[in-house]
Amino acid sequence: AQKVTQAQTEISVVEKEDVTLDCVYETRDTTYYLFWYKQPPSGELVFLIRRNSFDEQNEISGRYSWNFQKSTSSFNFTITASQVVDSAVYFCALSEAKWTSYGKLTFGQGTILTVHP
Amino acid sequence: DAGVIQSPRHEVTEMGQEVTLRCKPISGHNSLFWYRQTMMRGLELLIYFNNNVPIDDSGMPEDRFSAKMPNASFSTLKIQPSEPRDSAVYFCASSLSRGGNEQFFGPGTRLTVL
Repeated sequence: AQKVTQAQTEISVVEKEDVTLDCVYETRDTTYYLFWYKQPPSGELVFLIRRNSFDEQNEISGRYSWNFQKSTSSFNFTITASQVVDSAVYFCALSEAKWTSYGKLTFGQGTILTVHP
Repeated sequence: DAGVIQSPRHEVTEMGQEVTLRCKPISGHNSLFWYRQTMMRGLELLIYFNNNVPIDDSGMPEDRFSAKMPNASFSTLKIQPSEPRDSAVYFCASSLSRGGNEQFFGPGTRLTVL
């Protein structure tokens, strides 16, 4: 069975601080995919990034960066120089790579990030 | 391209009434997922379909909940009779069913049962 754990329920920072959201996963599959989604106060769930288990290269996109470490089963997300608009709930998710998964995602419980001005 | 479309966006009803939530997935996507989100339970997967066939409905809370997908472009989630504890935001999402594809979510339906 797959499991995603986001141990941080809530994080509060002041604007311009860097913040890292932790994600730890469990799976017996050797091939899998990891995702991050953002849910701003408006409520919609927005896809941010997908990584596959073959590729442990870290990725940077503007102020966002992701650190994937297979050895520790972690896929952490860092926001550099946080802004008020980053305030949202962030979800980490996992999917199997095989076609019989039908694209099903296992989500973590989410981390509420509040960035204060 | 249009994203996932859900209707209604808001629904207020009284306990005991039937509620039907609707979803139009992204054209070409062959997997469809219904989720429920509450403060207490977070994001829960209720049921999902592949090529219009229900694959796993183990997340459906009770027999009062049912879902159908009569064709590739339409799905419904029905609650009959509704209860106050069904109040939540219900999301529909679609994806290509190959493992590793991201799900695209609709805007959600906020259901309030009085």
